[in-house]
Amino acid sequence: TQTVSQSDAHVTVFEGDSVELRCNYSYGGSIYLSWYIQHHGRGLQFLLKYYSGNPVVQGVNGFEAEFSKSDSSFHLRKASVHWSDSAVYFCAARGATGGNNKLTFGQGTVLSVIP
Amino acid sequence: NAGVIQTPRHKVTGKGQEATLWCEPISGHSAVFWYRQTIVQGLEFLTYFRNQAPIDDSGMPKERFSAQMPNQSHSTLKIQSTQPQDSAVYLCASSLEGLGYEQYFGPGTRLTVL
Repeated sequence: TQTVSQSDAHVTVFEGDSVELRCNYSYGGSIYLSWYIQHHGRGLQFLLKYYSGNPVVQGVNGFEAEFSKSDSSFHLRKASVHWSDSAVYFCAARGATGGNNKLTFGQGTVLSVIP
Repeated sequence: NAGVIQTPRHKVTGKGQEATLWCEPISGHSAVFWYRQTIVQGLEFLTYFRNQAPIDDSGMPKERFSAQMPNQSHSTLKIQSTQPQDSAVYLCASSLEGLGYEQYFGPGTRLTVL
């Protein structure tokens, strides 16, 4: 069974601070990982993905994430947050082989940025 | 590109009534997914179509939920005899088919069952 865990339900930082949102997964094979952002009342917007190659991937709006097989992690980072980054962030995973592309999501992390 | 379109955005039904939710995927995308989002359960997979064929419906409650994709431009999720516990935001997503493609989500339909 594939699981995704986001250990922090809520993270609060000041504008201009750096932030790291944590994601850990449990899966037996090759894995595809992604991060999505959800602003209040909106659908999910894709931020970035990893499935092979360079473990550090860049996304939109200055976000990046690093895949670690040894730690079973895919943490999301941003060097300097803006108040508009306040939203809920979801980590998602699926198998990278086998043809079934359904996503398993973590519980989400609410990021609050204080101006 | 208008993105994934979902209608209606909000739907209120009485207990026992039927609800039909519509999704128009991004043109050219061959994979369509339905998910459900609630505060308690989070984001849950419901069902998945590839080239209009059902691939995986393992997340669908068996008795009252059904999904169809009669053509490449739309999919429907039908809930019969709605119950208060069906209240949720129902999200549709589409993607190109293949290893590295991301899913693009619609704005969702908020279903409220009174």
